[in-house]
Amino acid sequence: AQSVTQLGSHVSVSEGALVLLRCNYSSSVPPYLFWYVQYPNQGLQLLLKYTTGATLVKGINGFEAEFKKSETSFHLTKPSAHMSDAAEYFCAVSAGVAGRRALTFGSGTRLQVQP
Amino acid sequence: NAGVTQTPKFQVLKTGQSMTLQCAQDMNHNSMYWYRQDPGMGLRLIYYSASEGTTDKGEVPNGYNVSRLNKREFSLRLESAAPSQTSVYFCASSRGLRAEKLFFGSGTQLSVL
Repeated sequence: AQSVTQLGSHVSVSEGALVLLRCNYSSSVPPYLFWYVQYPNQGLQLLLKYTTGATLVKGINGFEAEFKKSETSFHLTKPSAHMSDAAEYFCAVSAGVAGRRALTFGSGTRLQVQP
Repeated sequence: NAGVTQTPKFQVLKTGQSMTLQCAQDMNHNSMYWYRQDPGMGLRLIYYSASEGTTDKGEVPNGYNVSRLNKREFSLRLESAAPSQTSVYFCASSRGLRAEKLFFGSGTQLSVL
């Protein structure tokens, strides 16, 4: 079985501040992990993904995430928030042999960026 | 440059009515998916099709049926709509099931009264 828990349904930061969105996963096999972003009235877009290899992955728009197996975590960070980062962010996991399983999404974290 | 196209964008149904949500992709992807999005619950997988000719249940398949008509098209049918099926529905596709990037449509907002 696979599952994802996102801690905090709403996060508010000031423009220029660090963004930290938390994600913990559960998987009985090595997972493939993803972060997606959803802007208002749009579908989801991939920010970044971890499959194998380097545990620190960089994505679009200055975001990055680190896979920590010992903590079963895949937290999303950005050093300096921009107003345009305001959106909903979803962590997702795909497990099974070589990731051969459809994605399971977390419940999402809505990021607000204050001027 | 269409990507994943869903129709309709909005729909209002009465309880017990039926309808089909259409989805088509033009990226020659093998795998297609239907998700529903509800506040505070993220996206939940209804059904998916790993490749043409196959379909599998996801987390919340009850009350839905799907058809993978061909490689491009994957439809979702509500045979007898219920208020609990009020949601935003997203179709997505990917090259394959194996950890591939999903491409999403813009969603269908469905209300069942």
